[in-house]
Order: sequence, then structure tokens, then C-alpha cells
Amino acid sequence: RKEVEQDPGPFNVPEGATVAFNCTYSNSASQSFFWYRQDCRKEPKLLMSVYSSGNEDGRFTAQLNRASQYISLLIRDSKLSDSATYLCVVRGSTLTFGKGTMLLVSP
Amino acid sequence: NAGVTQTPKFQVLKTGQSMTLQCAQDMNHNSMYWYRQDPGMGLRLIYYSASEGTTDKGEVPNGYNVSRLNKREFSLRLESAAPSQTSVYFCASGAGALYNEQFFGPGTRLTVL
Repeated sequence: RKEVEQDPGPFNVPEGATVAFNCTYSNSASQSFFWYRQDCRKEPKLLMSVYSSGNEDGRFTAQLNRASQYISLLIRDSKLSDSATYLCVVRGSTLTFGKGTMLLVSP
Repeated sequence: NAGVTQTPKFQVLKTGQSMTLQCAQDMNHNSMYWYRQDPGMGLRLIYYSASEGTTDKGEVPNGYNVSRLNKREFSLRLESAAPSQTSVYFCASGAGALYNEQFFGPGTRLTVL
């Protein structure tokens, strides 16, 4: 199994839709988890950390399932501005970035 | 606050040339990092500096050297550029523990001919 695996997409959704991404990781000793957002030809930006109990920030909800070794990101009421690549990042002895899932939100 | 700044934004080199990529942060972060991002691959860590005065190799250090000049600045040097080093290079800094949340600079797009 790859260290951090994401469906590359693209996920094409209309405005207002709810969309969810999953990310699986191989190292059961991983300690911290993050979602970053990367716009085309820009730098990654931290979207949110993922806590064991799950956490929400506005329209974004992140969940962690340690037993199955995956994290998820749910985006509600999608906006055009949500179009980007979403990177799953896992911290173990180092920081490992997934290749990203592309989201395209259309009018 | 400018956050993390990088220079230059773009660079074209010929094989065998050398250059230094500059990075500076004004957030008083202890740790700094250099990554490269290639199409179809996740970001890969080249070198990192946990604190001023220390540097360590990451996943792909071959062909690169770094200097942590002071707390603010962390430079990446290519001594003899190769086409395989064509990539987008990102510098990042982090607060708190090593490998915790990171803040990225805008990147340097490097082409080696």
C-alpha cells in the first residue's frame, strides 16, 4: 500500500453540491493529519488539521478513522471558489503528502 | 506580515550551472523546509532545518545543499544543475513541533535545459 493514497479525480460537481474525499494511509503510527488546498500553479495552503474526534470549520468537515486508516474531507454547499486540488498530509516520522484530489465546481 | 517569501519566481538554467534559491519567513518559526513538486507526484522533502543552526536530509537530497543562514532564512543550492531537477520548489516554515502545520512560499519554477 502506498504511504498516502488519494483518488486523483477530478470530481466534477455543481454549485451547492456536497462532495467528500477520502485518503488512506499505511503507517498505523501516524500522529497528525491535515488537509491542504492547492490552487493551480500556487502554493499549498493549510485548510484544516484533522482531530481524532472529527472537526468542522464552516462548510468543511474532517474525520479520522484510525481503525481503517483513512481520513475524509466533506465539503457542503460547494462554491465555485472551492475548485482546487486537495492534498491529504500525514505526519509520522516525517510529513508525507498525497498526490491530491482535484475538485471542479461548475455553475 | 509577508509570511514566506521566495526568490526568484522563475529560473532557467543550463545543465551544469549552479544557483541558489532564497527563502525567508517573518513568522518567527523555528523549522523550515524545502520541497519539490513534480507532475503526478506529491510534494517531496529535500532538506529541512528543525531550528537555527541545524539542517537534515529529507527524502530526495541528492544534488542539493542547504544553509540555514539565521532564523529567518533558509537557502537551497544546486551546485551542478541537471534536467532531472526541473521542478517547482517550495519553501515552507512551521510553528510548533517538527512536521506540524506548515506555511508555504509561492514557489520557484525551475527549468534545467
